[in-house]
Amino acid sequence: GQNIDQPTEMTATEGAIVQINCTYQTSGFNGLFWYQQHAGEAPTFLSYNVLDGLEEKGRFSSFLSRSKGYSYLLLKELQMKDSASYLCAPLDSNYQLIWGAGTKLIIKP
Amino acid sequence: GAVVSQHPSWVICKSGTSVKIECRSLDFQATTMFWYRQFPKQSLMLMATSNEGSKATYEQGVEKDKFLINHASLTLSTLTVTSAHPEDSSFYICSAPRGGDYNEQFFGPGTRLTVL
Repeated sequence: GQNIDQPTEMTATEGAIVQINCTYQTSGFNGLFWYQQHAGEAPTFLSYNVLDGLEEKGRFSSFLSRSKGYSYLLLKELQMKDSASYLCAPLDSNYQLIWGAGTKLIIKP
Repeated sequence: GAVVSQHPSWVICKSGTSVKIECRSLDFQATTMFWYRQFPKQSLMLMATSNEGSKATYEQGVEKDKFLINHASLTLSTLTVTSAHPEDSSFYICSAPRGGDYNEQFFGPGTRLTVL
């Protein structure tokens, strides 16, 4: 079956760094997305990885290891506005996004 | 960047009525659009894949006669919730991949439906 595993909730301090891990099992693989979703809003795109390694984009970086079925999202210099849910979503062989429940990130001053 | 819009942003209706939600790709053509539903504190659930010029593909457990999808043009897909009931109250979100690259998927802002 297809499965996404992320921590349900994480707490971090403003200005710090946090890493959100994701392990996945899918039928085929065509890359992995990370999305940010604020409460009551639609997801917004953060990153896409299809090859192994680290992709850096400003304060956010995303890492992928296809052999391990593992990815992480790294957020640096945390700001209060980063409080949101972070969704790891791999793309399966049918090019469908597989969604987990996401990780709720709480930023404290 | 690419923009996908949805209309309306929110709607309240009486039980038994039908509600139409529009999803538009504003600056690119989308031969495929995806419709999701999200209940509070739950993950997005894919309801159906909308294909321009052909019938939509529904996920298992989604009633195609209740959730009518029409992809009439390369920039517009509509989802009609027919004979809505309170249990249909949810957050409905569409997304569209730009071109043939599914690595560029853009989400609409969502439509919050409340059925009284």
